[in-house]
Amino acid sequence: EAEVAQSPRYKITEKSQAVAFWCDPISGHATLYWYRQILGQGPELLVQFQDESVVDDSQLPKDRFSAERLKGVDSTLKIQPAELGDSAMYLCASSPRAQPLYGYTFGSGTRLTVV
Amino acid sequence: QQQVKQSPQSLIVQKGGISIINCAYENTAFDYFPWYQQFPGKGPALLIAIRPDVSEKKEGRFTISFNKSAKQFSLHIMDSQPGDSATYFCAASRPQGAQKLVFGQGTRLTINP
Repeated sequence: EAEVAQSPRYKITEKSQAVAFWCDPISGHATLYWYRQILGQGPELLVQFQDESVVDDSQLPKDRFSAERLKGVDSTLKIQPAELGDSAMYLCASSPRAQPLYGYTFGSGTRLTVV
Repeated sequence: QQQVKQSPQSLIVQKGGISIINCAYENTAFDYFPWYQQFPGKGPALLIAIRPDVSEKKEGRFTISFNKSAKQFSLHIMDSQPGDSATYFCAASRPQGAQKLVFGQGTRLTINP
């Protein structure tokens, strides 16, 4: 069964350091999402890509977060500088089309701890 | 208008019992309502989903009931098993254009053997 790959699985970083997460979606999936899930809460969208273009980054803290999907395949989410409040699970999901009813597949996430 | 409110926050059910989780939404433009199951250390996985043109959808032991007039939908797990112990999220999305899923806050379900 096809999977969304994410790395690393766990990351501990010090406050004010830079950190990056990587996501490789299911082959052929044009839509890629980065969600943040704070412990005990539901996932919240940070950024949505359609191919290599950003279609929604309204909830992305752009002063410290950046995301790219240069060739419309894999994607990187970066935080610089990291703050204590960024501690969360960062989930990547992909979908064959831009509407969720076509099926979202999530990766296992990257658990970030900022100390 | 973008929120989906989920209850209860946690639920304990005896093995063989019925687990019921409820969600409510405000945005009448939502037209796709999935439920996701998440085990510790894993990403959410799609469990079952419904569109508003039907009032109920059943897949095995899992049933979604949908009440369009009340803007509510619920997940019923029949004959609950210890393996069903997980966190469950309801979600919703709109139909047109590039859309995202808006998630509820989650329900931690524990099935006691």
